[in-house]
Amino acid sequence: EADIYQTPRYLVIGTGKKITLECSQTMGHDKMYWYQQDPGMELHLIHYSYGVNSTEKGDLSSESTVSRIRTEHFPLTLESARPSHTSQYLCASSTSGANYYGYTFGSGTRLTVV
Amino acid sequence: RKEVEQDPGPFNVPEGATVAFNCTYSNSASQSFFWYRQDCRKEPKLLMSVYSSGNEDGRFTAQLNRASQYISLLIRDSKLSDSATYLCVVNSLLYNTDKLIFGTGTRLQVFP
Repeated sequence: EADIYQTPRYLVIGTGKKITLECSQTMGHDKMYWYQQDPGMELHLIHYSYGVNSTEKGDLSSESTVSRIRTEHFPLTLESARPSHTSQYLCASSTSGANYYGYTFGSGTRLTVV
Repeated sequence: RKEVEQDPGPFNVPEGATVAFNCTYSNSASQSFFWYRQDCRKEPKLLMSVYSSGNEDGRFTAQLNRASQYISLLIRDSKLSDSATYLCVVNSLLYNTDKLIFGTGTRLQVFP
């Protein structure tokens, strides 16, 4: 039973389109994260947030942007999609005790830009 | 040097075998350690935390060696369903945050 939801699960879209990947969690977690992962490759942190109105860029540079207007919602937006954005995008959340409890991940959005 | 390093594998083992993965981390001040499991094209899921004294969960045993800065995961009596990628995870103390650092993962393939 998922407590963190990502939509859409799969998205195929043309170059130049604006897209928003949705991520919501019902656990009341204050911290949320976006990771990018290519097939068979490692996870790369691209954005994170430690609370409402707090967003930071991650370790991997990304052309995407994020917002955190509500605790439960952390959408990721690409203003103009390109084939190089094709990847899996994973959202995660944690309490302030991530050191003890780890992260919970959503099922991911598999994005293909054609 | 990466903060968390793992042998990518793959480890190909028969059912019933015992297999062990190691992981090394670079920050001696790291305090929290986890093993995650990720199935092909799925999200990572927490397998177990790793405690200083070592801990066991059924067929899975995790060990921490702070002096040598490595973490291990032992799987006994391997099942076909254990086939997955196992991610070693360490907390980052950079900027005093709760950020976790994920290793690249070790792939396990259990065959009949």
